[in-house]
Amino acid sequence: GQQLNQSPQSMFIQEGEDVSMNCTSSSIFNTWLWYKQDPGEGPVLLIALYKAGELTSNGRLTAQFGITRKDSFLNISASIPSDVGIYFCAGLPSNAGGTSYGKLTFGQGTILTVHP
Amino acid sequence: GAVVSQHPSRVICKSGTSVKIECRSLDFQATTMFWYRQFPKKSLMLMATSNEGSKATYEQGVEKDKFLINHASLTLSTLTVTSAHPEDSSFYICSARDLAGAQETQYFGPGTRLLVL
Repeated sequence: GQQLNQSPQSMFIQEGEDVSMNCTSSSIFNTWLWYKQDPGEGPVLLIALYKAGELTSNGRLTAQFGITRKDSFLNISASIPSDVGIYFCAGLPSNAGGTSYGKLTFGQGTILTVHP
Repeated sequence: GAVVSQHPSRVICKSGTSVKIECRSLDFQATTMFWYRQFPKKSLMLMATSNEGSKATYEQGVEKDKFLINHASLTLSTLTVTSAHPEDSSFYICSARDLAGAQETQYFGPGTRLLVL
């Protein structure tokens, strides 16, 4: 099925550094969601975006919904060791019905490693 | 945020037996839940959409007779892996749609690790 183009695929950074990752799509989405997944756990919702151009923060995390509605980025400032994990973007299509109703389209994930 | 639970968290079974996995939305009602399968270091692969009070819809290539889904209430969906084989060993994750208010989001359960011997 369709996937979002998420980059980078992996990042190795030092503690304290800022991190940026993004997702792009050829399709328009009405909602962008960012999740973090720890090993052996389910994804945990970090930030939800609902309006084009919206910029939302959650602690050290900031995410933006692109103006074109085809992209989104996530920034993590001043990284700490517990930021390690896999970050996924996910897009939700419009609520117009059809077979894709409510189904998330995922990015491939960004594996983040933080060195102390 | 909203909480979704899964039970069991881990299960080991013998080949040929059936395993039931439960997914519950703990503080909201979910008319729609989704079941995913995930391989190591890969993204989530949607298996099926579970609809309360109606039949589940399966993604292409997913055998509906092997992966039975029941969504009998607004807070519970179950996935039963029938006649499990070693190739069914995987990490199974559910998610629940939260449609409260005008904005939709989805919350994931913690996952169930299935090992078929």
